[in-house]
Amino acid sequence: EVQLVESGGGLVQPGGSLRLSCAASGFTFSNYEMNWVRQAPGMGLEWISYISSGGSSIYNADSVKGRFTISRDNAKNSLYLQMNSLRAEDTAVYYCVRIVGVHDAFDIWGQGTMVTVSS
Amino acid sequence: SSELTQDPAVSVALGQTVRITCQGDSLGRFYANWYQQKPGQAPVLLIYGKNNRPSGIPDRFSGSSSGNTASLTLTGAQAEDEADYYCNSRDSSGNHLFYVFGTGTKVTVL
Repeated sequence: EVQLVESGGGLVQPGGSLRLSCAASGFTFSNYEMNWVRQAPGMGLEWISYISSGGSSIYNADSVKGRFTISRDNAKNSLYLQMNSLRAEDTAVYYCVRIVGVHDAFDIWGQGTMVTVSS
Repeated sequence: SSELTQDPAVSVALGQTVRITCQGDSLGRFYANWYQQKPGQAPVLLIYGKNNRPSGIPDRFSGSSSGNTASLTLTGAQAEDEADYYCNSRDSSGNHLFYVFGTGTKVTVL
């Protein structure tokens, strides 16, 4: 079964850091581009970060640029998101998402991990 | 930055047809993909590209596009289709790639 499982979410104070992980299984992880997408409570979806299959290309949304870093370890079938200088507005469910095809369809989503930034 | 605009909410009678639209400049260059999200669940890919459905997606869902507007049509709405629907596309600015999601449409099945 193709699956993505996120972990690492939790409660963190403003200005703090957190590292999210995403474990992939059921497909050849190293062949796929990956993303992080978040959803604040009661709000819509927001794309935040992309990484190419080999890790050489990275793109970030302006809202997280300079604070969040996406990375991957293809040997461990894992995707990461290092989040620094966290703000209240970063409170959201964070999804690990695979994209596929020429239309960059977000075809496989993890179940999400909740990050709450609060004092 | 790029934006994709959707109507916040629409309603449809059981068994009837509803069209959800998504407008944005990026859609003049790239196809929209469509997702369904039910409360407490992760989104699910419904339509990608011109009008392609992943395995397991019912054929009552279809996609189309014209100019800067993409549409998702639900033909013969079922109670289980009540959900939030999002479009998305890629976009680029110079050498910078990014993705954008629509504002979302809540579909109520009456």
